[in-house]
Amino acid sequence: AQSVAQPEDQVNVAEGNPLTVKCTYSVSGNPYLFWYVQYPNRGLQFLLKYITGDNLVKGSYGFEAEFNKSQTSFHLKKPSALVSDSALYFCAVRDANRDDKIIFGKGTRLHILP
Amino acid sequence: EPEVTQTPSHQVTQMGQEVILRCVPISNHLYFYWYRQILGQKVEFLVSFYNNEISEKSEIFDDQFSVERPDGSNFTLKIRSTKLEDSAMYFCASSSSVYNEQFFGPGTRLTVL
Repeated sequence: AQSVAQPEDQVNVAEGNPLTVKCTYSVSGNPYLFWYVQYPNRGLQFLLKYITGDNLVKGSYGFEAEFNKSQTSFHLKKPSALVSDSALYFCAVRDANRDDKIIFGKGTRLHILP
Repeated sequence: EPEVTQTPSHQVTQMGQEVILRCVPISNHLYFYWYRQILGQKVEFLVSFYNNEISEKSEIFDDQFSVERPDGSNFTLKIRSTKLEDSAMYFCASSSSVYNEQFFGPGTRLTVL
């Protein structure tokens, strides 16, 4: 069965510094990987995805993520954090060979310090 | 920009009552989903729906749950006899294909008393 691990409950970064939110996954087939962001009392907003092709994918709001097959990771990154990036971030995976549901990680709360 | 909408934003009900949560997916999308998020916990898959039938469901989605697409625009989740543990935020999502990202609605907060 597929699973997603986000090892950090919270990440604190000073404004202007680079940020990384970690994600590792487990699927039996090919992974489709996603990052979503959730602001307070809001739904999930899609940030970026990896389906195939370049391992480095770029998404909304200056975020990017790198697919690393050997490490089964899909870490979210941004070169320079903004206070407005403070939110809850979810990594998610779909097993391309099996089914269409998305399995979410437990989420990482990103706190950008002004 | 098209978006998924959900109504109501908050539903309060008594244990044992039936509730219907409503969603309007993005108009040209073909795949529809319900997820739930219990407060402070992760988002959990409930059910996926394609071509007017359930394509997959989780073990959470027992006989108390049902989904329906009653017309060309709405997608509903019914809970027949609510339990306290059904209290959660319920998210509807849709996608144009299984290869694409799912777009989520703002959620309905269900409170069962």
